[in-house]
Amino acid sequence: EVQLVESGGGLVKPGGSLRLSCAASGFTFSTAWMTWVRQAPGKGLEWVGRVKSGGATDYAAPVKGRFTISRDDSKNTLYLQMISLKIEDTAVYFCATEGYNYRENALDVWGQGTMVTVSS
Amino acid sequence: SYVLTQSPSVSVAPGQTARITCGGNNIESRSVHWYQQKPGQAPVLVVYGDSDRPSGTPERFSGSNSGNTATLTISRVEAGDEADYYCQVWDSSSAHQGVFGGGTKLTVL
Repeated sequence: EVQLVESGGGLVKPGGSLRLSCAASGFTFSTAWMTWVRQAPGKGLEWVGRVKSGGATDYAAPVKGRFTISRDDSKNTLYLQMISLKIEDTAVYFCATEGYNYRENALDVWGQGTMVTVSS
Repeated sequence: SYVLTQSPSVSVAPGQTARITCGGNNIESRSVHWYQQKPGQAPVLVVYGDSDRPSGTPERFSGSNSGNTATLTISRVEAGDEADYYCQVWDSSSAHQGVFGGGTKLTVL
């Protein structure tokens, strides 16, 4: 069974740092493009960024320079390192596979999400 | 940056047809994906590439894309279809960014 499990969320003060993990199983992680999407409380989905197989990354403008996406294919794990956190980064963070099962880079498998709260 | 516009809400009676639209400049030139999200759950892909259905998506769900509007159509709506629906495209004109619409809340009366 294809599965993604996020972890690492929690409460952090503004300006602080946090690293999220996304453990993958049931598919060949090393060949998968992986995406992070977030959802602020009561709001819609927002694309955060992605890492392609091989490690190249793209980021959304609000997080560029503060967030870093990486992967460890030996551990089948995706990471989201977040620094200089702002109150507006408060959200549930989802990881998802991108275009693994279906064409045109659809986000086809999602994790259950992990909550990040930035508050003093 | 590219913008996708969705109506905040759509209401339909059981058994009727719901149409959820996603507006964007020349959106027909892009491939549109649709996601369903129920309260407290992760989104689920229900239509990809404008009109294809993943395995597991009922045939009642269909998609189309023309001009400046993409549409998710749900036929014979059931109570279990009540959810938020999001459209999504990739904007390769700005470093290949992902773009989501604001979401549409489907209420089954």
